[in-house]
Amino acid sequence: EAGVTQSPRYAVLQEGQAVSFWCDPISGHDTLYWYQQPRDQGPQLLVYFRDEAVIDNSQLPSDRFSAVRPKGTNSTLKIQSAKQGDTATYLCASRVNNYAEQFFGPGTRLTVL
Amino acid sequence: QQQVRQSSQSLTVWEGETAILNCSYENSAFDYFPWYQQFPGEGPALLIAIRSVSDKKEDGRFTIFFNKREKNLSLHIKDSQPGDSATYFCAASESNNRIFFGDGTQLVVKP
Repeated sequence: EAGVTQSPRYAVLQEGQAVSFWCDPISGHDTLYWYQQPRDQGPQLLVYFRDEAVIDNSQLPSDRFSAVRPKGTNSTLKIQSAKQGDTATYLCASRVNNYAEQFFGPGTRLTVL
Repeated sequence: QQQVRQSSQSLTVWEGETAILNCSYENSAFDYFPWYQQFPGEGPALLIAIRSVSDKKEDGRFTIFFNKREKNLSLHIKDSQPGDSATYFCAASESNNRIFFGDGTQLVVKP
């Protein structure tokens, strides 16, 4: 069974540029999470979906970040105007239901210059 | 306020020793405590987890000791191997909702 896949693996931007991250969860997993992991810190939840519905986006900086999961499968996280403080690894995770283990993808390492 | 705290940013042990990683939490309602292992360039992977109804969970060389009254727990890695060198994250959640992660302990096992 394929794991959670993410692309790109790396991104380097200038401040003010936009970037999108893409996640393909494990097949059949209805819940999908996006986390931000700054260097030397633990993952911090940004947003999560059950199927196509947003369940919790309270930690998503809504002025510049957006996330969608239109068909309840793949998901895209977008940063509209990146800042140096956005430098981090962005992790996607999925699980089959609320009582199951979360499986993480390898992450996208973002550097904003 | 950080919900989950790990007492050491880093820990070094010799091969064969027992590594002990400590963790504490704030929210008494947390009832599920997973530990994740992360290697450089990879996402975290679930290592072992315990529910608050138990005070100990063992899986091979890995054991969680849980103290609900003190709101702390520890991960013991027996007979540490160089391949165990990684960052370990303590985490907690309430009723399988959002998971809160600590900032991790980087373990180095010297041969």
